[in-house]
Amino acid sequence: NAGVTQTPKFRVLKTGQSMTLLCAQDMNHEYMYWYRQDPGMGLRLIHYSVGEGTTAKGEVPDGYNVSRLKKQNFLLGLESAAPSQTSVYFCASSYLRGDQPQHFGDGTRLSIL
Amino acid sequence: AQSVTQLDSQVPVFEEAPVELRCNYSSSVSVYLFWYVQYPNQGLQLLLKYLSGSTLVKGINGFEAEFNKSQTSFHLRKPSVHISDTAEYFCAVSELTSYDKVIFGPGTSLSVIP
Repeated sequence: NAGVTQTPKFRVLKTGQSMTLLCAQDMNHEYMYWYRQDPGMGLRLIHYSVGEGTTAKGEVPDGYNVSRLKKQNFLLGLESAAPSQTSVYFCASSYLRGDQPQHFGDGTRLSIL
Repeated sequence: AQSVTQLDSQVPVFEEAPVELRCNYSSSVSVYLFWYVQYPNQGLQLLLKYLSGSTLVKGINGFEAEFNKSQTSFHLRKPSVHISDTAEYFCAVSELTSYDKVIFGPGTSLSVIP
């Protein structure tokens, strides 16, 4: 049982390059989330999805796009990477109800030079 | 709008000593409350959650937390810490009327000293 799997685990990009982070979950969860984690700032929600084919903006959506074409996958795209996007990115998923906890992947460490 | 405050960014404590990590929240509606733990280079894992009922909830690894509605607090405690408890701890809040978002606190870094 893999839970939430993020790929890649590490990546170094140059400013202006684009890339896609993949999140896959095998728990049949409806909700999926993308967060970024920066020192001293906790987790900040980038985008989230409440079901296949739906996406919504979170707290810090600028510079990112997402897609949820399949229920089990949630993709995060960086259109034109900037040094300010250097961070650790976490994907999470949960059941529909708000009393259910989120399940997290192990993160993607992204550096933008 | 809901918010979560963790009053201590870093908490050093000696091994086998007790510890309390503080969490306060603000919300105009009823909430669900969670504590998560993050070990180095890993994602967050659920420690415990408060949904309703008894205000004292027990979680994994000997941790417990007490919900205090009047003080809007949900402090995490452990009577005797181990080296393996060194990690980052996050308090999180989910409003009953907004199932699609959870607000996380900034985190408390617990360092257990041998």
